[in-house]
Amino acid sequence: EVQLVESGGGLVQPGGSLRLSCATSGFTFSDHYMGWVRQAPGKGLEWVGRSRNRAKNYITEYTASAKGRFTISRDDSQNSLYLQMNGLKTEDTAVYYCIKNSDYWGRGTLVTVSS
Amino acid sequence: DVVMTQSPLSLPVTLGQPASISCRSSQSLVHSDGNTYLNWYQQRPGQSPRRLISKVSNRDSGVPERFGGSGSGTDFTLKISRVEAEDVGVYYCMQLTYWPLTFGGGTKVEIK
Repeated sequence: EVQLVESGGGLVQPGGSLRLSCATSGFTFSDHYMGWVRQAPGKGLEWVGRSRNRAKNYITEYTASAKGRFTISRDDSQNSLYLQMNGLKTEDTAVYYCIKNSDYWGRGTLVTVSS
Repeated sequence: DVVMTQSPLSLPVTLGQPASISCRSSQSLVHSDGNTYLNWYQQRPGQSPRRLISKVSNRDSGVPERFGGSGSGTDFTLKISRVEAEDVGVYYCMQLTYWPLTFGGGTKVEIK
């Protein structure tokens, strides 16, 4: 059974940093694209970025809102995906979901950026 | 970026009646490999999104047969043949042909 479990969310001040983790199981992690999607309170879904798989050299891609501030990394030995978020803004407040390819989603972790 | 436009925003439906959601893209979603990468997701209240349909019309395992996807190019539709109480939630289309991947704004399905 595929499982994705996010952690690391919380309350952070504007300008601060946070690192999210996504622990996975039930599939061969290195074979799959992995990504982060966020959902602001009461709003729709927005991609943050993704990491391609080993066959595609783990290339990372970001949306405009994340570029230069957020970094996606992965550890295939730990079957884990990470999202390092720096320079956080109030508009980054959202539930952050870990997503495998386009199929499986985690339950999400809430990030609140507020003073 | 490819803009995905869904309609309607809200869809009140009587139990047992059909429902239809439209999704239009700002450019053709036909990939250079010949596939059209358009997915549909259901997000029930308080839950994570769940994929229902991939590549326009391929229903995921465990998804009831009352859900069907169709369309081509820039125009796509999700149909529920007979709405059940468990279908309440927000439905999103998402294109995967171009980066950045983009979602439609969502359609809220509720029971009349």
